[in-house]
Amino acid sequence: DAKTTQPPSMDCAEGRAANLPCNHSTISGNEYVYWYRQIHSQGPQYIIHGLKNNETNEMASLIITEDRKSSTLILPHATLRDTAVYYCIVRGHDNTGNQFYFGTGTSLTVIP
Amino acid sequence: DSGVTQTPKHLITATGQRVTLRCSPRSGDLSVYWYQQSLDQGLQFLIHYYNGEERAKGNILERFSAQQFPDLHSELNLSSLELGDSALYFCASSVGTSGRYVDTQYFGPGTRLTVL
Repeated sequence: DAKTTQPPSMDCAEGRAANLPCNHSTISGNEYVYWYRQIHSQGPQYIIHGLKNNETNEMASLIITEDRKSSTLILPHATLRDTAVYYCIVRGHDNTGNQFYFGTGTSLTVIP
Repeated sequence: DSGVTQTPKHLITATGQRVTLRCSPRSGDLSVYWYQQSLDQGLQFLIHYYNGEERAKGNILERFSAQQFPDLHSELNLSSLELGDSALYFCASSVGTSGRYVDTQYFGPGTRLTVL
């Protein structure tokens, strides 16, 4: 699987957009970009995923660069409840299975 | 609420003991995954079952075993427990077609295991 690089921590003012970057320069053609978050010690929560095109759902937007070597997760109007560790995962199916490999993620703090 | 349930929420036990953690996947999901999260290791994949069959193993110790039953719930058995086994244990489920595609995993709330 392609490795990902994320900044260890970020701050964002409440009500502003939070832009969380992820580098995945070794991504291959069949690998998807997934984003999860973990609030305190709760179970990781699925946010969004994409292959090539930008994606948007009720939680966030995912912008993937044309060369697919990096992506940005955008939380359009951050709230205090968005304070969490955000994980960017790149995964494609191979003969090792479908499990996810979580890195250290970005700890996002939303400031009032 | 992801639809994945795990019991118990908390478990406190002593070294050398054996415990069983239980996971019920979302309705219709055939795949179950187990992950361990300890303070110094982050989230680590342990094992994946698809429709009752083991599909992949990660860094799972020989003292640990799992199974998935015909009703698709899964159990993770941890034996000869050591202090270092104290961790959060998460179960995730996914639709899991034939294993040919990566599909979205939905995580349960976890079981916090404390070994004294």
